[in-house]
Amino acid sequence: DTAVSQTPKYLVTQMGNDKSIKCEQNLGHDTMYWYKQDSKKFLKIMFSYNNKELIINETVPNRFSPKSPDKAHLNLHINSLELGDSAVYFCASSHLSDTGELFFGEGSRLTVL
Amino acid sequence: GQQVMQIPQYQHVQEGEDFTTYCNSSTTLSNIQWYKQRPGGHPVFLIQLVKSGEVKKQKRLTFQFGEAKKNSSLHITATQTTDVGTYFCAGRDGSGGSNYKLTFGKGTLLTVNP
Repeated sequence: DTAVSQTPKYLVTQMGNDKSIKCEQNLGHDTMYWYKQDSKKFLKIMFSYNNKELIINETVPNRFSPKSPDKAHLNLHINSLELGDSAVYFCASSHLSDTGELFFGEGSRLTVL
Repeated sequence: GQQVMQIPQYQHVQEGEDFTTYCNSSTTLSNIQWYKQRPGGHPVFLIQLVKSGEVKKQKRLTFQFGEAKKNSSLHITATQTTDVGTYFCAGRDGSGGSNYKLTFGKGTLLTVNP
């Protein structure tokens, strides 16, 4: 059983399109995250939710909108995709929001043409 | 905001040589974690250090947390080809504000020549 699962794993799309990435965790964690990893492998946090409440919202364009329907799911919707959005997006979860280790999903590689 | 610097960016070693990566934070940390990401994979948790001056070992890996809780290191003894990957440190700000955010260093890519 995959602990943190993301779909899709690969996404190729044109500039200007809107796309979503879904994430689900079956670990019973109360905190979930979205990280962006660029071509230089830098991992940058984008958002974090704790029990469906947004607790971290980094300087991310408004085109990115997270949604957490329940504490086991955190989806990421991106409007009007730009070339610079191409990256690997990782979902992660943790048991405790201030001390817990992160469990990462396998990543979703987004390529914007 | 908090910054976590990690050096070196790349390290290539011969199998059997030792390897060390260093992490420095601009602020005092409440805790620091280390992750390993294999090529094409996702980051996997290795360890968490919480106490000032803490040293932990996992087989050939030794992790240290500085006395001031602003720096950390990971040392691998006698590297093997299975050690290949990018090693990230990640710290939580301990200055009293929200410590939900885990800030990652830029990682050290280790390659091992067999």
